[in-house]
Amino acid sequence: EAGVTQFPSHSVIEKGQTVTLRCDPISGHDNLYWYRRVMGKEIKFLLHFVKESKQDESGMPNNRFLAERTGGTYSTLKVQPAELEDSGVYFCASSQEIVPGLHNEQFFGPGTRLTVL
Amino acid sequence: QKEVEQDPGPLSVPEGAIVSLNCTYSNSAFQYFMWYRQYSRKGPELLMYTYSSGNKEDGRFTAQVDKSSKYISLFIRDSQPSDSATYLCAMTRGRGNKLVFGAGTILRVKS
Repeated sequence: EAGVTQFPSHSVIEKGQTVTLRCDPISGHDNLYWYRRVMGKEIKFLLHFVKESKQDESGMPNNRFLAERTGGTYSTLKVQPAELEDSGVYFCASSQEIVPGLHNEQFFGPGTRLTVL
Repeated sequence: QKEVEQDPGPLSVPEGAIVSLNCTYSNSAFQYFMWYRQYSRKGPELLMYTYSSGNKEDGRFTAQVDKSSKYISLFIRDSQPSDSATYLCAMTRGRGNKLVFGAGTILRVKS
């Protein structure tokens, strides 16, 4: 079974440009999460999709970030315009439908390393 | 104040040593506690999870949760060079909810 995949693995852009990150979750996983780790800090939650709906977007830093999940499958995270402080590693995770009594493991992708110059 | 505190290390031990990693947290609403392992340039991978207080053992790994002290631990017995990685504690209020991570501890096991 293929794991969570993310594209690109690394992106270098200049301040003010736009970047779009893509995440393909494990097939059949309803839940999709975005997290990011900026230099020297802990991994922090950005938002959570259940199928195509945003369940929790409390971690989105500002309106320069836009996340979508087309048809409840893959997701994109767009940063427009990018700022220096957006540099970091962006992780995507997915999990199955929540079932009472069963642990709902989040499976992580390898991350996209974003560098804003 | 951070919700989850974790010493970033690095922690360097000889092969075969017992490793103790721990985290403290401030939010008493956390119910599920996890340890993730992350190798360089990879995503975090779930190692252990525990619901509420108690101990859980899986091979060389033991996870402990003390909710009264808001303290969780991971013990690694007979550590191996292949255990060298960053170990992240994470916790959540409920199934499907966002994970709150510690900063991660870098572990190096020397052969």
